[in-house]
Amino acid sequence: DAKTTQPTSMDCAEGRAANLPCNHSTISGNEYVYWYRQIHSQGPQYIIHGLKNNETNEMASLIITEDRKSSTLILPHATLRDTAVYYCIVRVPLGETSGSRLTFGEGTQLTVNP
Amino acid sequence: GAVVSQHPSWVICKSGTSVKIECRSLDFQATTMFWYRQFPKQSLMLMATSNEGSKATYEQGVEKDKFLINHASLTLSTLTVTSAHPEDSSFYICSASLSPYNSPLHFGNGTRLTVT
Repeated sequence: DAKTTQPTSMDCAEGRAANLPCNHSTISGNEYVYWYRQIHSQGPQYIIHGLKNNETNEMASLIITEDRKSSTLILPHATLRDTAVYYCIVRVPLGETSGSRLTFGEGTQLTVNP
Repeated sequence: GAVVSQHPSWVICKSGTSVKIECRSLDFQATTMFWYRQFPKQSLMLMATSNEGSKATYEQGVEKDKFLINHASLTLSTLTVTSAHPEDSSFYICSASLSPYNSPLHFGNGTRLTVT
Protein backbone atom coordinates (compact mmCIF):
# COMPACT_ATOMS: atom_id res chain seq x y z
CA ASP A 1 0.00 0.00 0.00
CA ALA A 2 1.23 3.48 -0.75
CA LYS A 3 1.83 5.15 2.60
CA THR A 4 1.14 8.75 3.42
CA THR A 5 2.93 11.18 5.68
CA GLN A 6 1.15 14.06 7.36
CA PRO A 7 2.11 16.49 10.10
CA THR A 8 0.80 15.42 13.48
CA SER A 9 -0.90 18.71 14.21
CA MET A 10 -1.60 22.14 12.77
CA ASP A 11 -3.24 25.33 13.97
CA CYS A 12 -5.21 27.81 11.94
CA ALA A 13 -6.96 31.08 12.72
CA GLU A 14 -10.69 31.22 12.17
CA GLY A 15 -11.55 32.73 8.80
CA ARG A 16 -8.14 32.02 7.30
CA ALA A 17 -7.30 29.30 4.81
CA ALA A 18 -6.10 26.00 6.24
CA ASN A 19 -3.56 24.19 4.05
CA LEU A 20 -2.97 20.60 5.04
CA PRO A 21 -0.05 18.84 3.33
CA CYS A 22 0.36 15.17 2.58
CA ASN A 23 3.26 13.22 1.11
CA HIS A 24 2.58 10.02 -0.84
CA SER A 25 5.81 9.48 -2.74
CA THR A 26 5.17 5.78 -3.48
CA ILE A 27 1.74 6.27 -5.02
CA SER A 28 0.93 4.17 -8.07
CA GLY A 29 -0.52 5.47 -11.29
CA ASN A 30 -4.03 4.16 -10.69
CA GLU A 31 -4.34 5.10 -7.04
CA TYR A 32 -6.55 7.96 -5.96
CA VAL A 33 -5.84 10.41 -3.16
CA TYR A 34 -8.71 10.71 -0.69
CA TRP A 35 -9.25 13.11 2.17
CA TYR A 36 -11.51 12.43 5.14
CA ARG A 37 -11.93 14.11 8.46
CA GLN A 38 -13.10 12.83 11.81
CA ILE A 39 -14.62 14.98 14.47
CA HIS A 40 -14.31 13.50 17.94
CA SER A 41 -16.49 10.41 18.53
CA GLN A 42 -18.02 10.48 15.05
CA GLY A 43 -17.48 8.47 11.91
CA PRO A 44 -15.11 9.85 9.26
CA GLN A 45 -16.59 12.34 6.83
CA TYR A 46 -15.66 12.28 3.15
CA ILE A 47 -14.19 15.56 1.92
CA ILE A 48 -12.74 15.17 -1.54
CA HIS A 49 -10.69 12.90 -3.77
CA GLY A 50 -8.64 13.13 -6.95
CA LEU A 51 -6.34 11.27 -9.28
CA LYS A 52 -4.22 13.78 -11.21
CA ASN A 53 -6.07 17.03 -11.61
CA ASN A 54 -6.87 19.57 -8.95
CA GLU A 55 -10.37 19.23 -7.56
CA THR A 56 -12.76 21.59 -5.82
CA ASN A 57 -16.11 21.07 -4.16
CA GLU A 58 -18.24 22.92 -1.64
CA MET A 59 -16.06 21.81 1.24
CA ALA A 60 -12.49 22.11 0.02
CA SER A 61 -9.94 22.14 -2.76
CA LEU A 62 -7.39 19.44 -3.47
CA ILE A 63 -4.11 20.32 -5.11
CA ILE A 64 -2.07 17.38 -6.41
CA THR A 65 1.48 17.95 -7.62
CA GLU A 66 2.32 17.04 -11.17
CA ASP A 67 4.44 14.07 -10.10
CA ARG A 68 1.59 13.03 -7.75
CA LYS A 69 4.00 12.53 -4.87
CA SER A 70 2.25 15.03 -2.64
CA SER A 71 -1.00 16.89 -2.26
CA THR A 72 -2.54 19.71 -0.25
CA LEU A 73 -6.04 19.98 1.10
CA ILE A 74 -7.24 23.56 1.32
CA LEU A 75 -10.11 24.72 3.49
CA PRO A 76 -10.57 28.25 2.14
CA HIS A 77 -12.19 29.85 5.18
CA ALA A 78 -11.72 27.70 8.26
CA THR A 79 -14.34 27.79 10.99
CA LEU A 80 -14.29 26.41 14.53
CA ARG A 81 -16.36 23.47 13.30
CA ASP A 82 -13.51 22.44 11.02
CA THR A 83 -11.48 21.37 14.06
CA ALA A 84 -10.94 17.66 13.45
CA VAL A 85 -8.42 14.99 12.52
CA TYR A 86 -7.81 15.07 8.78
CA TYR A 87 -6.75 11.90 7.02
CA CYS A 88 -4.99 11.75 3.68
CA ILE A 89 -5.40 8.27 2.21
CA VAL A 90 -4.20 6.59 -0.95
CA ARG A 91 -6.82 4.13 -1.97
CA VAL A 92 -5.78 0.62 -2.86
CA PRO A 93 -7.98 -0.91 -5.55
CA LEU A 94 -9.08 -4.45 -4.90
CA GLY A 95 -10.74 -4.97 -8.23
CA GLU A 96 -13.33 -3.60 -10.57
CA THR A 97 -16.30 -5.33 -9.03
CA SER A 98 -15.53 -5.07 -5.34
CA GLY A 99 -15.09 -1.85 -3.45
CA SER A 100 -11.63 -1.05 -2.27
CA ARG A 101 -10.69 -0.38 1.31
CA LEU A 102 -9.28 2.72 2.90
CA THR A 103 -6.23 2.35 5.11
CA PHE A 104 -6.05 5.14 7.67
CA GLY A 105 -2.80 6.62 8.94
CA GLU A 106 -2.50 8.86 11.96
CA GLY A 107 -3.78 12.00 10.26
CA THR A 108 -3.35 15.66 11.15
CA GLN A 109 -5.13 17.20 14.11
CA LEU A 110 -6.27 20.58 12.83
CA THR A 111 -7.25 23.07 15.50
CA VAL A 112 -9.03 26.21 14.36
CA ASN A 113 -8.59 29.00 16.87
CA PRO A 114 -10.94 31.95 17.40
CA GLY B 1 -25.54 12.56 -0.25
CA ALA B 2 -25.12 8.89 0.56
CA VAL B 3 -26.10 8.01 4.12
CA VAL B 4 -24.90 5.12 6.21
CA SER B 5 -26.80 4.44 9.41
CA GLN B 6 -25.30 2.50 12.28
CA HIS B 7 -27.19 1.13 15.25
CA PRO B 8 -26.89 1.25 18.19
CA SER B 9 -24.76 4.34 18.72
CA TRP B 10 -23.60 2.98 22.04
CA VAL B 11 -24.02 -0.24 23.99
CA ILE B 12 -22.90 -1.56 27.35
CA CYS B 13 -22.80 -5.30 27.86
CA LYS B 14 -21.51 -7.78 30.37
CA SER B 15 -18.47 -9.90 29.77
CA GLY B 16 -19.33 -13.16 28.02
CA THR B 17 -22.40 -11.88 26.20
CA SER B 18 -22.76 -11.15 22.49
CA VAL B 19 -23.56 -7.85 20.87
CA LYS B 20 -24.88 -7.20 17.38
CA ILE B 21 -24.20 -3.96 15.52
CA GLU B 22 -26.14 -3.06 12.38
CA CYS B 23 -24.97 -1.02 9.44
CA ARG B 24 -27.42 0.13 6.80
CA SER B 25 -27.00 2.07 3.60
CA LEU B 26 -30.12 4.22 3.51
CA ASP B 27 -30.26 5.62 0.00
CA PHE B 28 -27.99 3.40 -2.04
CA GLN B 29 -27.11 -0.22 -2.52
CA ALA B 30 -23.76 -1.15 -1.09
CA THR B 31 -21.96 -3.97 -2.82
CA THR B 32 -19.20 -3.83 -0.25
CA MET B 33 -19.13 -2.87 3.40
CA PHE B 34 -16.14 -2.44 5.67
CA TRP B 35 -15.86 -2.72 9.44
CA TYR B 36 -13.32 -0.70 11.36
CA ARG B 37 -12.34 -0.50 15.00
CA GLN B 38 -10.85 2.51 16.75
CA PHE B 39 -9.27 2.56 20.19
CA PRO B 40 -8.90 5.83 22.12
CA LYS B 41 -6.36 8.24 20.65
CA GLN B 42 -5.65 5.83 17.78
CA SER B 43 -6.52 5.73 14.12
CA LEU B 44 -9.11 3.49 12.49
CA MET B 45 -8.06 -0.11 11.92
CA LEU B 46 -9.77 -2.18 9.25
CA MET B 47 -11.21 -5.40 10.66
CA ALA B 48 -12.93 -6.99 7.71
CA THR B 49 -14.43 -6.53 4.28
CA SER B 50 -17.83 -7.98 3.48
CA ASN B 51 -19.38 -8.41 0.08
CA GLU B 52 -23.08 -9.06 -0.28
CA GLY B 53 -23.84 -12.74 -0.50
CA SER B 54 -20.35 -14.00 0.23
CA LYS B 55 -18.10 -14.60 3.21
CA ALA B 56 -16.28 -11.71 4.80
CA THR B 57 -12.54 -11.26 4.38
CA TYR B 58 -10.82 -10.61 7.69
CA GLU B 59 -7.62 -8.66 8.23
CA GLN B 60 -4.68 -10.42 9.80
CA GLY B 61 -5.07 -10.77 13.55
CA VAL B 62 -8.86 -10.40 13.56
CA GLU B 63 -10.64 -13.52 14.78
CA LYS B 64 -13.42 -14.43 12.39
CA ASP B 65 -15.17 -16.63 14.95
CA LYS B 66 -15.27 -13.78 17.43
CA PHE B 67 -16.35 -11.04 15.07
CA LEU B 68 -19.14 -12.52 12.95
CA ILE B 69 -20.08 -10.52 9.90
CA ASN B 70 -23.21 -11.06 7.85
CA HIS B 71 -23.98 -9.10 4.69
CA ALA B 72 -27.27 -10.63 3.68
CA SER B 73 -28.54 -7.79 1.52
CA LEU B 74 -27.24 -4.83 -0.44
CA THR B 75 -28.35 -2.45 2.31
CA LEU B 76 -27.52 -4.28 5.54
CA SER B 77 -24.42 -5.69 7.16
CA THR B 78 -24.16 -6.82 10.76
CA LEU B 79 -21.19 -7.31 13.05
CA THR B 80 -21.67 -9.57 16.05
CA VAL B 81 -19.08 -9.48 18.80
CA THR B 82 -19.37 -12.89 20.41
CA SER B 83 -18.40 -13.66 23.99
CA ALA B 84 -17.34 -10.08 24.52
CA HIS B 85 -14.52 -9.22 26.90
CA PRO B 86 -13.41 -5.87 28.31
CA GLU B 87 -10.58 -5.69 25.77
CA ASP B 88 -13.23 -5.66 23.02
CA SER B 89 -14.42 -2.29 24.29
CA SER B 90 -13.86 0.07 21.40
CA PHE B 91 -15.47 2.33 18.80
CA TYR B 92 -16.74 0.23 15.89
CA ILE B 93 -17.42 1.99 12.59
CA CYS B 94 -18.87 0.65 9.39
CA SER B 95 -18.58 2.04 5.91
CA ALA B 96 -20.21 1.27 2.62
CA SER B 97 -19.30 1.71 -0.99
CA LEU B 98 -20.91 1.63 -4.36
CA SER B 99 -18.93 0.00 -7.09
CA PRO B 100 -16.74 0.82 -8.95
CA TYR B 101 -13.77 0.80 -6.69
CA ASN B 102 -13.10 4.48 -6.80
CA SER B 103 -16.45 5.55 -5.39
CA PRO B 104 -16.05 7.32 -2.03
CA LEU B 105 -16.63 5.28 1.10
CA HIS B 106 -19.36 6.62 3.33
CA PHE B 107 -19.15 6.00 7.05
CA GLY B 108 -21.66 5.42 9.79
CA ASN B 109 -21.43 7.40 13.00
CA GLY B 110 -19.97 4.50 14.90
CA THR B 111 -20.96 2.33 17.86
CA ARG B 112 -19.29 2.77 21.22
CA LEU B 113 -19.07 -0.67 22.84
CA THR B 114 -18.26 -0.95 26.53
CA VAL B 115 -17.85 -4.43 28.01
CA THR B 116 -18.00 -4.58 31.78
